[in-house]
Amino acid sequence: DGGITQSPKYLFRKEGQNVTLSCEQNLNHDAMYWYRQDPGQGLRLIYYSQIVNDFQKGDIAEGYSVSREKKESFPLTVTSAQKNPTAFYLCASSVPGLLTNTEAFFGQGTRLTVV
Amino acid sequence: SQQGEEDPQALSIQEGENATMNCSYKTSINNLQWYRQNSGRGLVHLILIRSNEREKHSGRLRVTLDTSKKSSSLLITASRAADTASYFCANRRSNYKLTFGKGTLLTVNP
Repeated sequence: DGGITQSPKYLFRKEGQNVTLSCEQNLNHDAMYWYRQDPGQGLRLIYYSQIVNDFQKGDIAEGYSVSREKKESFPLTVTSAQKNPTAFYLCASSVPGLLTNTEAFFGQGTRLTVV
Repeated sequence: SQQGEEDPQALSIQEGENATMNCSYKTSINNLQWYRQNSGRGLVHLILIRSNEREKHSGRLRVTLDTSKKSSSLLITASRAADTASYFCANRRSNYKLTFGKGTLLTVNP
């Protein structure tokens, strides 16, 4: 079955650690996105990528980094520079970016908690 | 900054009633989309309306778009307890960036 998979579902991070969230899709989508969701804040865009080896900062990119070495994969690293990383992280993908009248498909999310 | 703002933030209704949620946005868009999120899960796409469309239906869902007012509404008719979820609008501008609002939490009481 085609879809988008995030792992792990739950992740615990100690203060000062970097952690990487995985996002893999087999939908052959060019565009991929990372969002952060906090209670009452809706979804805020961290990074997005329209094509392999290219990505752009979203609205809250500070303290995060991404890579897009393969079409299928868009991992997000939460660095120690992110002072308040506890949140629900959602990855999404959509069909080729030039066709903008298309929907996004979401993974099931990763809940990150700082301990 | 957030481009979409849903209204109301929370809505509680009885099963069988209709639920209406509104969304406003700030700049020109290519399309507007509505998504549903069950608690602790990912978002699921419900319906997309293009900027040159005014109304669209899908099952019990009806979406309208008023580009002159930069607003959209989602109507769920004959609601069911299973419709309880958060509903988000999202818009896509020409740079492919997909931007979401803060959502409306809908509770349908049996």
